[in-house]
Amino acid sequence: DAGVTQSPTHLIKTRGQQVTLRCSPKSGHDTVSWYQQALGQGPQFIFQYYEEEERQRGNFPDRFSGHQFPNYSSELNVNALLLGDSALYLCASGKLHGYTFGSGTRLTVV
Amino acid sequence: SQQGEEDPQALSIQEGENATMNCSYKTSINNLQWYRQNSGRGLVHLILIRSNEREKHSGRLRVTLDTSKKSSSLLITASRAADTASYFCATDPSLKTSYDKVIFGPGTSLSVIP
Repeated sequence: DAGVTQSPTHLIKTRGQQVTLRCSPKSGHDTVSWYQQALGQGPQFIFQYYEEEERQRGNFPDRFSGHQFPNYSSELNVNALLLGDSALYLCASGKLHGYTFGSGTRLTVV
Repeated sequence: SQQGEEDPQALSIQEGENATMNCSYKTSINNLQWYRQNSGRGLVHLILIRSNEREKHSGRLRVTLDTSKKSSSLLITASRAADTASYFCATDPSLKTSYDKVIFGPGTSLSVIP
């Protein structure tokens, strides 16, 4: 039974570029949440998708956008990358019993 | 501002000792969850305690919740080197405009020395 899968594992991008991160939720889960975790900090909520719609958003600029597909997988897009966007991006699926997290995508912006 | 704040920020103990981490939060909650993270990888869900529960056990883990003080503690008994990780509390606020969002604290870094 596959858990949450994220791709790619690591990514290096140049400032100003755009990036797309991907997530497949755990089987049976239909809600996907994205978190950004800077080094040494706790995960910060970016947004959550359910039924292909963004239903809640954290305190992140519009450069951060997402999408959910009919099979519940999701993408996180970040435009006009800044050095400060360097972080571990985590995808989580599940309900209130507790999230299941993917291993994350480590994004480095140079 | 963060909903949950763990204390201490870092903890170093000898193998076999008990480790206690505390979490304080600000608003009323539906439940509080503890997660573990190894070396900056994905978080692993450890235990969830609901607002109407006061204590919960899972193996070597014991979690308490005091809603009057808006605080929780995670106790790891008989610690092992493999318990070395960062531990986060996450709260599911009861007063919210949406659904399943949980809010994480900054974490406690635990080092267990063999």
